Amino acid sequence: GAVVSQHPSWVICKSGTSVKIECRSLDFQATTMFWYRQFPKQSLMLMATSNEGSKATYEQGVEKDKFLINHASLTLSTLTVTSAHPEDSSFYICSASPGGGRETQYFGPGTRLLVL
Amino acid sequence: GDSVTQMEGPVTLSEEAFLTINCTYTATGYPSLFWYVQYPGEGLQLLLKATKADDKGSNKGFEATYRKETTSFHLEKGSVQVSDSAVYFCALSEAGRRALTFGSGTRLQVQP
Repeated sequence: GAVVSQHPSWVICKSGTSVKIECRSLDFQATTMFWYRQFPKQSLMLMATSNEGSKATYEQGVEKDKFLINHASLTLSTLTVTSAHPEDSSFYICSASPGGGRETQYFGPGTRLLVL
Repeated sequence: GDSVTQMEGPVTLSEEAFLTINCTYTATGYPSLFWYVQYPGEGLQLLLKATKADDKGSNKGFEATYRKETTSFHLEKGSVQVSDSAVYFCALSEAGRRALTFGSGTRLQVQP
């Protein structure tokens, strides 16, 4: 089956620093990748949709200058949390979709971010 | 906007018990409906889906029927196993949009 990986699986950083999270589709090409955020015991909230080679589309209320998304290739998307603050601490999950009429999304295992 | 409401957990059952996890939705159009499962330490996996009214999705003994009249997509399994212990998410996507709107998730614990 299609596999999506995320790196790192968890990260602790100091307030004010930037953190980059990678999302890779290992055995398929992903025309579209999605980034979600999950708070404890809550639902996954869509942050942004990225299509390879174009700018990401952010959901309402998500700061695009704070959450930088790059989808430079068909197998890699990155989310950079810039100038992280404690309220950015969360579980970040990516998913990838092969496109071509196949709407199934394949999810990564998630990255837990703790900002001190 | 779109929303998905599912029953709060945790749901604790004995092995071989019958499972129902309720899910209702609000959407402006005719969405596709999904159930995803997240096992401990793993990413979400698609369990089953239905794309139009009265469709029944099924997989691994789990079933859910797309009920447009009650805007529901309840997950059922006739006999749960310990290995079914996981968090189950109900989700929808509007036609033409692949992004998913998730419910809050329901943790299922199956005891031997």
